Formats: sequence, C-alpha cells, structure tokens
Amino acid sequence: EAQVTQNPRYLITVTGKKLTVTCSQNMNHEYMSWYRQDPGLGLRQIYYSMNVEVTDKGDVPEGYKVSRKEKRNFPLILESPSPNQTSLYFCASSLPDREQYFGPGTRLTVT
Amino acid sequence: QQPVQSPQAVILREGEDAVINCSSSKALYSVHWYRQKHGEAPVFLMILLKGGEQKGHDKISASFNEKKQQSSLYLTASQLSYSGTYFCGTERPISNSGYALNFGKGTSLLVTP
Repeated sequence: EAQVTQNPRYLITVTGKKLTVTCSQNMNHEYMSWYRQDPGLGLRQIYYSMNVEVTDKGDVPEGYKVSRKEKRNFPLILESPSPNQTSLYFCASSLPDREQYFGPGTRLTVT
Repeated sequence: QQPVQSPQAVILREGEDAVINCSSSKALYSVHWYRQKHGEAPVFLMILLKGGEQKGHDKISASFNEKKQQSSLYLTASQLSYSGTYFCGTERPISNSGYALNFGKGTSLLVTP
C-alpha cells in the first residue's frame, strides 16, 4: 500500500531534550516536505527536499533541522525543543508538480 | 507568502452551493486543493496547472486564473461528507528544479442536514 508513515504519532517532551520525528514514504517520490499546523495559521512549510541531499528552508525553519540521506526517509530534528514548537506536524511526499501525500501527523507537546 | 483564502468559514445546508477563493501576491505555477477532516491528514482534491484549465472531481470543481493569481473551488449540491477544512496550496518555482508549496490558512466548511 502506498503510504507516508510518521513516528511517533504522539510525543510529550521537555524543553531542550533533542528529538527526531521520522518520516518514510514507499512511493519513490523525489519531493518531501515537513509542515506544522497550528490553529488559525493553516499549514506552514518548515523544510522541503527536492531529492537526496537537496534540502531547503520553508517559511518557518527556525529551530528545526532535516536531512535526506535516502530517498524514502526525511527525518525532522528538533535539537533543543521549546514550548512554541508544540504543534501538529505533517510530513508529505510527491512527484514533481503532483499531489502531495500526507502522513498521519505527529502531535508534539513541549513542556 | 501564504495565499489568502476567503471566506474563513461557511455553513451550508445540504444541497446548497459554495465557493472558496484563494489568491496570491506572487506569480503562480499551479494551485493545489486539499480537504482535511478533523483529526486527520489533508487529502488531495485536485491540482490546476497554468493554463486556466478548470478541473472537476465529482460535484467539486475548480478554476485557476494565473493572470489574476487566483483560484476558486466550487462545491455544488453539497453533501454532509463535504464538511471539513479546505486548503489551497500555491506552487511557485524557486530554482531550475525546485518549487515551494505554500498553503493558505484554510476555510472551514460545515454542511448541515
């Protein structure tokens, strides 16, 4: 089954404790991206990747890192999480100029 | 760089029509439309490429006017299942091979019996 998976689905952590949210797709898509969703603000792009080893900042990259060492994986790294990074995070993948397939989301709470 | 969606929210009775608009201050390459149910991931509805082509998906259709940098989503004879939040995503090229996709804040649609 074609899908985008994210782990964990729910995470509660404390300020400053490094964490990684994994994202994996099995559709051989070149394009992958991370979004955060906050009430009233819609989906805001954090980082995106056009292909392996090619990543770039989206609209809200501060406090986040990504890597794309393999085509299927695109982990999101929070080196020192802060409470303002409490949000719902979505990973998505697509072929160029095609529809985005979203993962199920990761709800992160930073206390 | 977020596109602007209007209205922010709309309530319909089953069978009524609605239009959701999406506009951008930047030149657009294409426009995506997605629907999100509460607690779920956004689901793709349609994508419109440059050329003003109108696309349809059941009783949901959309248009794209790249000159005006606008797109509209048309929902006709709405059904209860149409309830959710609708997002437009505007795609713009940023390099020879790259593009960025920016989503609007969403339009909340509620269809009542």
